[in-house]
Amino acid sequence: DAGVIQSPRHEVTEMGQEVTLRCKPISGHDYLFWYRQTMMRGLELLIYFNNNVPIDDSGMPEDRFSAKMPNASFSTLKIQPSEPRDSAVYFCASRSAKYNEGQFFGPGTRLTVL
Amino acid sequence: AQSVAQPEDQVNVAEGNPLTVKCTYSVSGNPYLFWYVQYPNRGLQFLLKYITGDNLVKGSYGFEAEFNKSQTSFHLKKPSALVSDSALYFCAVRDVGNTPLVFGKGTRLSVIA
Repeated sequence: DAGVIQSPRHEVTEMGQEVTLRCKPISGHDYLFWYRQTMMRGLELLIYFNNNVPIDDSGMPEDRFSAKMPNASFSTLKIQPSEPRDSAVYFCASRSAKYNEGQFFGPGTRLTVL
Repeated sequence: AQSVAQPEDQVNVAEGNPLTVKCTYSVSGNPYLFWYVQYPNRGLQFLLKYITGDNLVKGSYGFEAEFNKSQTSFHLKKPSALVSDSALYFCAVRDVGNTPLVFGKGTRLSVIA
C-alpha cells in the first residue's frame, strides 16, 4: 500500500485566494482525520470522518474552512478565502476501526499564504 | 476529556547515552497510548503503542516505553542514543472507543555527537 497520499506537497498562494488540499487515505480505512501543525499551536485536530461522514468538526477554526469526503478514497480541505495566519502544515491521517492501531499520517501539505 | 502532557520542549543527550522523553496522560477509561516521531519536513511516523499486557513496550529503532498506570505516565526510552534519533517526538492517547488520538505538544530530541 502506498500509504496516505496528500497533494499538493507545497502550496504558496496570496491572501484571499481559495486553497484546496487533497487526501487519499489508505484503502480499507474507516476513519480520516485532518490536522494542522504550527510552531505556536502544535498539532491540532481540525475534523474527522467515519465512513465518509463528518463526526466532529469542532476544531475547524472558522467558516472559511470546510472539508468533504465524497467517497472512501478521497477527501478535501478547502480554505476560502485564505489568510496569512492559515500558513501551516496540514496533515491527513487515516486508520481502521477494526484493529487497535494508531493513525497513519500522510507527508503533509505545507501551505504558505502571502 | 483526554489530554497528554509532554513537560519538556527540548531534550539534549550525548550520543551513546540513554535517553528518556517524558509523557503523562489523562483519560477517563483504559488508555491506548502511542509514540510518534517526526523528522524534518516529514509526516508523523508510528514508533510504538501500548494497548494492554506487558507494561514495557518495544518499538521501532530500538525505542521502548514503559506504561505506569499509577503515575499515568508513558515515558519513551532508548538505552543508547544515536545522532539519527534527533527529531520531534509526540506522545498520544485515546480511550478504548473509536475517538481520535489526542497529541502532546511534542518534545524535540537533540542527540549530540
